[in-house]
Amino acid sequence: NAGVTQTPKFQVLKTGQSMTLQCAQDMNHNSMYWYRQDPGMGLRLIYYSASEGTTDKGEVPNGYNVSRLNKREFSLRLESAAPSQTSVYFCASTDPRSDTQYFGPGTRLTVL
Amino acid sequence: KQEVTQIPAALSVPEGENLVLNCSFTDSAIYNLQWFRQDPGKGLTSLLLIQSSQREQTSGRLNASLDKSSGRSTLYIAASQPGDSATYLCAVGRGAGNMLTFGGGTRLMVKP
Repeated sequence: NAGVTQTPKFQVLKTGQSMTLQCAQDMNHNSMYWYRQDPGMGLRLIYYSASEGTTDKGEVPNGYNVSRLNKREFSLRLESAAPSQTSVYFCASTDPRSDTQYFGPGTRLTVL
Repeated sequence: KQEVTQIPAALSVPEGENLVLNCSFTDSAIYNLQWFRQDPGKGLTSLLLIQSSQREQTSGRLNASLDKSSGRSTLYIAASQPGDSATYLCAVGRGAGNMLTFGGGTRLMVKP
């Protein structure tokens, strides 16, 4: 039982490049989330997915797209990366039995 | 808009002390409140979750309380150990989707 996994762990992009951050969970959770963590700003919700095929915007969705491919996977795409998107990105899922939210190890993204 | 504040931002104590971390939130219409631990360069680990109908939760040396009417939660750590050194994050859940709003965290250092 790996929990929530994220790839890659580190990534460096140039301004204007695109990339997709991958997230998967093996706990059979319906709800999944993407957060970003910045110094002085804490963690902020980017997007949320209640189930396969459904997504909702969070607090800071601009510049991002998401895709809930199936129950396990929830990906975050940066179409045209900007330096303001330099951050650590965390994926999470919620256990509906306890409401406990489980986090992945994070992806550290730098946009030059 | 929900705002979550954690005081103090940093705390250094000698080993063995009992300590209290504080969390306050502006909107009392919460779904739950979670306390997390984050080690440097790592993801978040859930410590305790208090549902909106509950007053407190305990796990080992940790006790978390919730007072919705005053918009406050405290995390009590008994007999602190160097291994407790980490950043502690408070997060308030809203709606059935359990979307979290985080405080800025308290960075705890327990000195041997």
